[in-house]
Amino acid sequence: GAVVSQHPSWVICKSGTSVKIECRSLDFQATTMFWYRQFPKQSLMLMATSNEGSKATYEQGVEKDKFLINHASLTLSTLTVTSAHPEDSSFYICSVERGVYGYTFGSGTRLTVV
Amino acid sequence: GDSVTQMEGPVTLSEEAFLTINCTYTATGYPSLFWYVQYPGEGLQLLLKATKADDKGSNKGFEATYRKETTSFHLEKGSVQVSDSAVYFCALSGATNKLIFGTGTLLAVQP
Repeated sequence: GAVVSQHPSWVICKSGTSVKIECRSLDFQATTMFWYRQFPKQSLMLMATSNEGSKATYEQGVEKDKFLINHASLTLSTLTVTSAHPEDSSFYICSVERGVYGYTFGSGTRLTVV
Repeated sequence: GDSVTQMEGPVTLSEEAFLTINCTYTATGYPSLFWYVQYPGEGLQLLLKATKADDKGSNKGFEATYRKETTSFHLEKGSVQVSDSAVYFCALSGATNKLIFGTGTLLAVQP
């Protein structure tokens, strides 16, 4: 079964509302998780590195206030898209670095902002 | 910074044809190299990896060799099947432990 659980798998929200996406590491205590964004027919763009118990590290060009990341425990990181707009519609994927097992990805969340 | 360049797709092949998807990288130090596969409607899965020069990663008939001299990690398979149709991503993990992806190559295998 999946060792990285991402929820929800898809969500539709209205413009101006906020959406929270959860990423759970089911069998590994993850001090570090990663959040990616994938545009249609394009690669995965690393948005930020989520660090347990401390602030996330954002990649250049990613708005910290728009994409809030919280990593409050070793098994859960959340990404909140605040005041969502249609251009935020995308596929968001989390990843856990599981030591010798390498990187494992969640199944992704399709966000559609209408 | 670190980067990965892979050949643009789509790549369309007939069943049992030979597959090569080129991947080159730029990185400081000695990164680990990966190929990930994304089947339609599914999440990313690790296909194979190599952690040092001259290592060969292999899985499900796919192979890739870590070539430091040419900074390449080309993916090959001797005989593709329809079930291999997917998007293939080359990636590296360097000193920062971040996974950096190429743009992905769509492979379509026709019966």
